[in-house]
Amino acid sequence: DGGITQSPKYLFRKEGQNVTLSCEQNLNHDAMYWYRQDPGQGLRLIYYSQIVNDFQKGDIAEGYSVSREKKESFPLTVTSAQKNPTAFYLCASSSTSEIMDTQYFGPGTRLTVL
Amino acid sequence: GEDVEQSLFLSVREGDSSVINCTYTDSSSTYLYWYKQEPGAGLQLLTYIFSNMDMKQDQRLTVLLNKKDKHLSLRIADTQTGDSAIYFCAEMRSNNDMRFGAGTRLTVKP
Repeated sequence: DGGITQSPKYLFRKEGQNVTLSCEQNLNHDAMYWYRQDPGQGLRLIYYSQIVNDFQKGDIAEGYSVSREKKESFPLTVTSAQKNPTAFYLCASSSTSEIMDTQYFGPGTRLTVL
Repeated sequence: GEDVEQSLFLSVREGDSSVINCTYTDSSSTYLYWYKQEPGAGLQLLTYIFSNMDMKQDQRLTVLLNKKDKHLSLRIADTQTGDSAIYFCAEMRSNNDMRFGAGTRLTVKP
């Protein structure tokens, strides 16, 4: 089945550690996105990538890094520089060839810093 | 304002209609979306409307768009307990930047 997968579903990290969240899609979408969701707030864009080997910062990129070495994969690293990393992280993808450019979301990863 | 705005909570009785409202920011937005999020899950695209439309109906869902007021609503007819979730409004701005509201938590009481 086509879709977006994120792993793991739950992730625990000690303060000072970097951690990488996985996002894979088999929809042949060119664009991929990472959002952060906090309670009572809308989704905030961390990073996005329109094409392989290229990515741009979103609204809250500080303390995060990404790579886009393959079309299917867009991993997000939460670094120790991120001051408040506990949140629900959502990955999305879209086809830039479609007029609508609708984003489809993965199931999310809940990161908790202990 | 800069933000897509939604009320945070809505509670209805099973069988009633639910209306979730949203105001967006960019009068040139091309598409407006409604997503549904169940507990601990990702966002599921429910429906969307193109900006040149006033209304779209899809089974129990009706989307109304008032471009003049930049107001979007989602009506769920015959609301069921399985409709309990958080509903996000989103706009695709003219620069292809997508913006989301904070989400409305719909609670359906039996």
